[in-house]
Order: sequence, then structure tokens, then C-alpha cells
Amino acid sequence: GEDVEQSLFLSVREGDSSVINCTYTDSSSTYLYWYKQEPGAGLQLLTYIFSNMDMKQDQRLTVLLNKKDKHLSLRIADTQTGDSAIYFCAERGSYNKLIFGAGTRLAVHP
Amino acid sequence: NAGVMQNPRHLVRRRGQEARLRCSPMKGHSHVYWYRQLPEEGLKFMVYLQKENIIDESGMPKERFSAEFPKEGPSILRIQQVVRGDSAAYFCASSRGAGDRTLNTEAFFGQGTRLTVV
Repeated sequence: GEDVEQSLFLSVREGDSSVINCTYTDSSSTYLYWYKQEPGAGLQLLTYIFSNMDMKQDQRLTVLLNKKDKHLSLRIADTQTGDSAIYFCAERGSYNKLIFGAGTRLAVHP
Repeated sequence: NAGVMQNPRHLVRRRGQEARLRCSPMKGHSHVYWYRQLPEEGLKFMVYLQKENIIDESGMPKERFSAEFPKEGPSILRIQQVVRGDSAAYFCASSRGAGDRTLNTEAFFGQGTRLTVV
């Protein structure tokens, strides 16, 4: 079946790196995504990775994919207060629908 | 190019009333997805529609919920006889297509409709 799991909370100091982890179950998923949701808002696509890649870097964001362990991570370098939000990991299912984790709430403190 | 538009942003209904949520996809997009987000949870897929067709409704509750995407006009998610447990944020996403497994077809999300049942 399809299931995505994430840790629920992460607290980091401003300027440090944040690492948000995710595990998924569908080994046939071709794309995996990270979305950001700010309070009262919709979802913003941050980045995605194709399953034939191990790593993707986009400015302060680094995505690592371990297909063997079905583990995905998002690293945010130099975390800022504006990065405080809920981060959702998602895998692509049939018909391009998305299967989301429960979200990791990132709190950035001075 | 306007993004995905959902209205209303907030909707309050009494138990037993009907709720109608609207979603206008981005220009050029003919594929619409509806998701529900319960408080403190992630988004759960409900239904996938193309113009005039329901393709995948595996996430829709069996009763009281229906969705349509007519040839003209927005997609509508309809909840009849609402109950307190229907209180949630309902998000719509649209894309150009479902793509094949090797092609990423990005889905763009609306701001959501927050339904409160009192």
C-alpha cells in the first residue's frame, strides 16, 4: 500500500541547518516532493526529486533520496525565521495524485 | 496567469446543511484533484477529475460527498447534510495532465476552503 511517514516536530536555532526526514512505502514511486505550508495558506511546492537521482540541490535546499531504505530527507541550510512552517513530504501515486505525510512542523528560534 | 482559485475561502454551515466548494483551475489545466486536510493532519486525496469525467474517486466518502467538473465552469465539491466531522480545509489542485510515470506534471494548489460545521 501507499503510506508516507514523517516526524511531527523540529525545532532549530536561526542560522543552523534543518533536516526533515520522511519514509515512504511505494517502491514504484517515480517522483517525491516536498511542500511547504504556512499558517492559513495553501501548499507551495519547494522541490521534487526523480527516483533515479540520489541528491538534488536548489539554493538552500538539498534533497537526499535513499531508494533502498525508502527514505527521503530535506535539508535547509542557514535556516531563517521565515522558514517556520509545516513541511510535507509526498509521493506520487496513480493518476499523478499525491500521497502526503502528516507534515513536520518546523519552529525556528533566535 | 491567475493561479488555482478556490471559493469561498471560509464557509460556515450548520449541521444538516449543504456545502458547495468551488475550484477554478489554472488556465490551460483540465485535470483537477481535491484533497481534504483535517486539523493537525496531512492532506488526503479525495477525487481526481478531468473535464466531465470522474477518473479516480477512491478517496471519497461513500455517502454525502460528490464532485463534478463540467465542460464549462469550475469544479464543484458538494457535501450534503454536513456533520461536525466534515470540518476541515479542502484543497483543490490542477495540472495540465496526469503525465506518465517518467514525466513530472506539476500540480498547483489553491488556497483552500476552510469549512466549519457548527
